[in-house]
Amino acid sequence: DVKVTQSSRYLVKRTGEKVFLECVQDMDHENMFWYRQDPGLGLRLIYFSYDVKMKEKGDIPEGYSVSREKKERFSLILESASTNQTSMYLCASSLGRWTGAKYEQFFGPGTRLTVL
Amino acid sequence: AQSVAQPEDQVNVAEGNPLTVKCTYSVSGNPYLFWYVQYPNRGLQFLLKYITGDNLVKGSYGFEAEFNKSQTSFHLKKPSALVSDSALYFCAVRSYGSGNTGKLIFGQGTTLQVKP
Repeated sequence: DVKVTQSSRYLVKRTGEKVFLECVQDMDHENMFWYRQDPGLGLRLIYFSYDVKMKEKGDIPEGYSVSREKKERFSLILESASTNQTSMYLCASSLGRWTGAKYEQFFGPGTRLTVL
Repeated sequence: AQSVAQPEDQVNVAEGNPLTVKCTYSVSGNPYLFWYVQYPNRGLQFLLKYITGDNLVKGSYGFEAEFNKSQTSFHLKKPSALVSDSALYFCAVRSYGSGNTGKLIFGQGTTLQVKP
């Protein structure tokens, strides 16, 4: 059974802290994605990666960075957390660097981050 | 600009009645369209997709969707709703300009409420 796991379901951090969100997939997928989900706004793409050490900005990359050192792992980093980064963060993966458009994304359970 | 719209924030239907969750899209070429469902405190689960071929697509849990090119729509349907179908539903379309990495644009989501 395909699986995307995220390191924490709930996380509470203080303003200014550095925050790491980890995502691991066991499907040997080339593509990995980080989204944030806010009520009424749907899912917004923060960053995605189509290969190890490769990354591209999504729609809302400001205040975030990512790291992909291994194919199965994609980390989202909040360099200095702020209250407006309180949100649900979802990681996803999909097949196919060059043909990925046809394939569905598989999602992790999400991390609900609260920044105080 | 490419976009996806889900015109209804919430859809209410009685158990046993047919349901429809609406989705319209705007892309600059042939669309790849997806439906996902999110149960409370869970990640998104893939329901079905349209890539090419038959305009009526069947998916998981008895759901189906009809691709209508002239109306640029991809409405999700089910002949007989169950209380357990109550969830948040997202429509998504493949974003052009991202190669073939499978980057998606999501609608804002529609809450489906099925009452006994």
